[in-house]
Formats: sequence, C-alpha cells, structure tokens
Amino acid sequence: DSGVTQTPKHLITATGQRVTLRCSPRSGDLSVYWYQQSLDQGLQFLIQYYNGEERAKGNILERFSAQQFPDLHSELNLSSLELGDSALYFCASSPPFGGSYNEQFFGPGTRLTVL
Amino acid sequence: DAKTTQPNSMESNEEEPVHLPCNHSTISGTDYIHWYRQLPSQGPEYVIHGLTSNVNNRMASLAIAEDRKSSTLILHRATLRDAAVYYCILRNAGNMLTFGGGTRLMVKP
Repeated sequence: DSGVTQTPKHLITATGQRVTLRCSPRSGDLSVYWYQQSLDQGLQFLIQYYNGEERAKGNILERFSAQQFPDLHSELNLSSLELGDSALYFCASSPPFGGSYNEQFFGPGTRLTVL
Repeated sequence: DAKTTQPNSMESNEEEPVHLPCNHSTISGTDYIHWYRQLPSQGPEYVIHGLTSNVNNRMASLAIAEDRKSSTLILHRATLRDAAVYYCILRNAGNMLTFGGGTRLMVKP
C-alpha cells in the first residue's frame, strides 16, 4: 500500500459525458501527478500540481482539467468523453524535497471505460 | 527527457539472478537513472535510482556503466512476485516521469 488513494476504482460511462476522478496523496506530500495508461500510448504524464498550483503539464487534452485543493487532494475532470479516453488513470504523489531524487508513490488507479 | 532503450521482454527462472539492461546513450550529466516496476493490475512502484555510482537497496542493485550510457538493474534472486514490467527512466530537472515501453519480465517456477 503506497498511501495514495484513488476513487472510484472503476468507472463506466458513455461518450459525451463528464467524470471526476479523485486522488488523496500520502500524508505530507505536496506534489500530485496524474498519468494516463492506455494500451496504445502506454503510461503518459498528464499534469502536476504542487501545493495547490499547477507545476507542469504534459500530454493533457483541453477536454481534461485538474485542480489541487487546500487539503492537497486532487481531482481530474474529464469531459466530452470519447471512446479513446478509456484507460487507467493513475495519481502519484511525492515529498516536498529531493528534486530528481524524488520517489513517486502511485495509487492503485481508476479504470475508466467509455462506451 | 533523454530516451532509454530496453528489451521488450525477458525470461528468468525463479531463484536465479536477473540482469535487466537499459541503454541511454544521450544521457546528460545531470540526468538521474530511475527504475520503476509495474506489477499486474497495480500502479508503478519505485525500485531504485542512481547518478554515477552503483547502488544497492533491499529490492535490487543498479549497476551504472562508467560512461553512463547504459545501466543494469539486478534482481539477485527472482521470485514469482517479481514478474512485472520494469521501466528505466532518466530524470532531470522536471519531476514528471517519462515512461518508455519497459521490459516485461517473466519468471518461471
């Protein structure tokens, strides 16, 4: 158990809908990262937040957005869903020190299925 | 981030050592070499990292070539629980992880 929690575990929805994925980082970690894992693209970095502020952006679509709240939990919002958005979405957190030493701790993921 | 090259898959016998290679010929002087693994149906898990010197921890050893253009993750005694996809990643200033295809390790009993 990494200490990172993600809800829900599974989500099934229809094209065109909007969903929200939730992540709670490990106690004391200020950074939250979101990754998408699909069969054709592998594991891809989407976005990072640090203490409530966006820190880095990867291959995140405009239909997707995220935020980190004062209690440090984060939400990833996916809208106008398409079949190709079906994937595993992982959240990770890391401690507020160490730079490139930083180990990232991954949650168990949310499996999104768009029908 | 600089690119890494790993074999798609490797096979090992249980209780034997496993050497997982990674080539990173375009590594820069400030890139750290990180290894993560992903067990079936789980999120990635940190294994080990290093900069120039060989490193050991409770999970594995990391051997880094003198020119740093390649590295090898060593599992000293593979168990069935070590069957996973192993990712070799170079990290610099950015904190995000850039995953490649990784090596799928299969462990035979």
